[in-house]
Amino acid sequence: EAQVTQNPRYLITVTGKKLTVTCSQNMNHEYMSWYRQDPGLGLRQIYYSMNVEVTDKGDVPEGYKVSRKEKRNFPLILESPSPNQTSLYFCASTLWAGQHNEQFFGPGTRLTVL
Amino acid sequence: AQSVTQLDSQVPVFEEAPVELRCNYSSSVSVYLFWYVQYPNQGLQLLLKYLSGSTLVKGINGFEAEFNKSQTSFHLRKPSVHISDTAEYFCAVILSSNDYKLSFGAGTTVTVRA
Repeated sequence: EAQVTQNPRYLITVTGKKLTVTCSQNMNHEYMSWYRQDPGLGLRQIYYSMNVEVTDKGDVPEGYKVSRKEKRNFPLILESPSPNQTSLYFCASTLWAGQHNEQFFGPGTRLTVL
Repeated sequence: AQSVTQLDSQVPVFEEAPVELRCNYSSSVSVYLFWYVQYPNQGLQLLLKYLSGSTLVKGINGFEAEFNKSQTSFHLRKPSVHISDTAEYFCAVILSSNDYKLSFGAGTTVTVRA
């Protein structure tokens, strides 16, 4: 089944404790991105990747890192999480960056930073 | 400045009644428009999209939307809703032909009651 998977689905952590949220897609998509969803703000892009070893900042990159060593994986790293990073996070992928291509979203990761 | 404005944050509606969700965007150039749906505890799923051509776009689950360039709007409609349409709906745009990044509205929560 074609899908985008994220792990963990739920995570409660404390300020300053490094964490990684994994994202994997099995559709051989080139373009992947991370969003955070906050009430009243919709989805905002954190980072995106056009292909392996090519990443760039989105609208709200502060406090996050990403890597793209393999085409299928695009982990989101929070080196020192803070309470303002409490949010619902979505990974998405698309065949390649283009208006015609549908983005496929993962199920989301709900992160709480205490 | 907000690129995409969803005019209603909450829309309660009775089963079998029609529903319209309003979306306005701010751009004077070519745009590409999308509606996504997020069912409870799930990721986003594409409902429909407008890239070019006919301004009336039909999507999945009986939804349709109309692109109105003069009013910079892309309102979503369904003539008769079901309980299963209870979800959050997001309008999103790609703001130019040279871009591929989705900009999302804040979302509209539709609650369908029997």
